[in-house]
Amino acid sequence: DAKTTQPPSMDCAEGRAANLPCNHSTISGNEYVYWYRQIHSQGPQYIIHGLKNNETNEMASLIITEDRKSSTLILPHATLRDTAVYYCIVRVVGTGKLIFGQGTTLQVKP
Amino acid sequence: EAEVAQSPRYKITEKSQAVAFWCDPISGHATLYWYRQILGQGPELLVQFQDESVVDDSQLPKDRFSAERLKGVDSTLKIQPAELGDSAMYLCASSLAGRSTDTQYFGPGTRLTVL
Repeated sequence: DAKTTQPPSMDCAEGRAANLPCNHSTISGNEYVYWYRQIHSQGPQYIIHGLKNNETNEMASLIITEDRKSSTLILPHATLRDTAVYYCIVRVVGTGKLIFGQGTTLQVKP
Repeated sequence: EAEVAQSPRYKITEKSQAVAFWCDPISGHATLYWYRQILGQGPELLVQFQDESVVDDSQLPKDRFSAERLKGVDSTLKIQPAELGDSAMYLCASSLAGRSTDTQYFGPGTRLTVL
């Protein structure tokens, strides 16, 4: 199963863009990159996913490098409510299992 | 918006007692997952159901944990007997099917404390 590497913590100023990096150098060609976040004491919340192309939805943008070995989640205008642990996951083909790592704790500051 | 329901939200029990958690997935979702999340760590899959069948229970401690989804809809996770190390958040998730493109949606979780 492909593993991901994320920085343990990051800070971001309110109103600025938050760019969260993720390395997944062993990803296979048919494995998707998923991002979830978990606000304190709640269940994980789906944010976005992608395979090769960059993706955007109402919550965030996902930029995947051409070699697919890394990706960046972008929250365009971070708010205090975006303070959470952000998980980058390479999804297992077949069962679709999610294997969570330690994630990045994003602290949005006023 | 449809959500995954879990109950209870909080459970405190003494070691050696039995506990049970309930999950009601999003309507129409065939795949149901139970995860355990120890404080400070990411969730870990315990068991995955496709309809009423177990697809993956490789990380389920089968000597004390059991899970069922009898009619392929809601599910129950049981621990008997509970141990101190079982204190954790137990999360349920569901997806339309088990494919890599099917988003998993999580419930709010059950916080278990074993004394």
